[in-house]
Amino acid sequence: DGGITQSPKYLFRKEGQNVTLSCEQNLNHDAMYWYRQDPGQGLRLIYYSQIVNDFQKGDIAEGYSVSREKKESFPLTVTSAQKNPTAFYLCASSPGPDQPQHFGDGTRLSIL
Amino acid sequence: SQQGEEDPQALSIQEGENATMNCSYKTSINNLQWYRQNSGRGLVHLILIRSNEREKHSGRLRVTLDTSKKSSSLLITASRAADTASYFCATPVNNAGNMLTFGGGTRLMVKP
Repeated sequence: DGGITQSPKYLFRKEGQNVTLSCEQNLNHDAMYWYRQDPGQGLRLIYYSQIVNDFQKGDIAEGYSVSREKKESFPLTVTSAQKNPTAFYLCASSPGPDQPQHFGDGTRLSIL
Repeated sequence: SQQGEEDPQALSIQEGENATMNCSYKTSINNLQWYRQNSGRGLVHLILIRSNEREKHSGRLRVTLDTSKKSSSLLITASRAADTASYFCATPVNNAGNMLTFGGGTRLMVKP
């Protein structure tokens, strides 16, 4: 059963702490994306990757970092530099340009 | 910056009624996509309509695209309580194809 798996579902961050959100896909998609969603709002792009070992900043990359060492995996680190990290984070993948994106079920990050 | 904007922001109807949501965008596009999001979940792709198409159907969904007015509409016919969700339109960023920008969404409530 192909899809995108995000973990954990809920995550809590302490002051000054970096946390990493996991995103794994078994759809064999080249492109992967990270979005942030604030309550009642649309999605904003944090980072995206079109291919292994390559990624580009989105609209709100400050305070976040990513890696793409494997096609299946695109982890997102929320660093201590991100002062307002409380949000719902969504990972997506797509097979290529102008194709639908497939989404995971998100990670909800909160501050302790 | 957001390319697409949905209207209305919220819509409440009775089961069996039709629901119409609109999306306006600012620059030329080669396709437009509609997604659905149930509360606390990831987005699910509904329909992709290309710039050379005027109308597209999928089950109870009908999407129209008017490139001269830079607008699209999503019609859900004979709505059901299970259609309660947020609906987002998404357009390519700079027609690059790999990146999408999402509107703020229409929150639809269908009362049984």
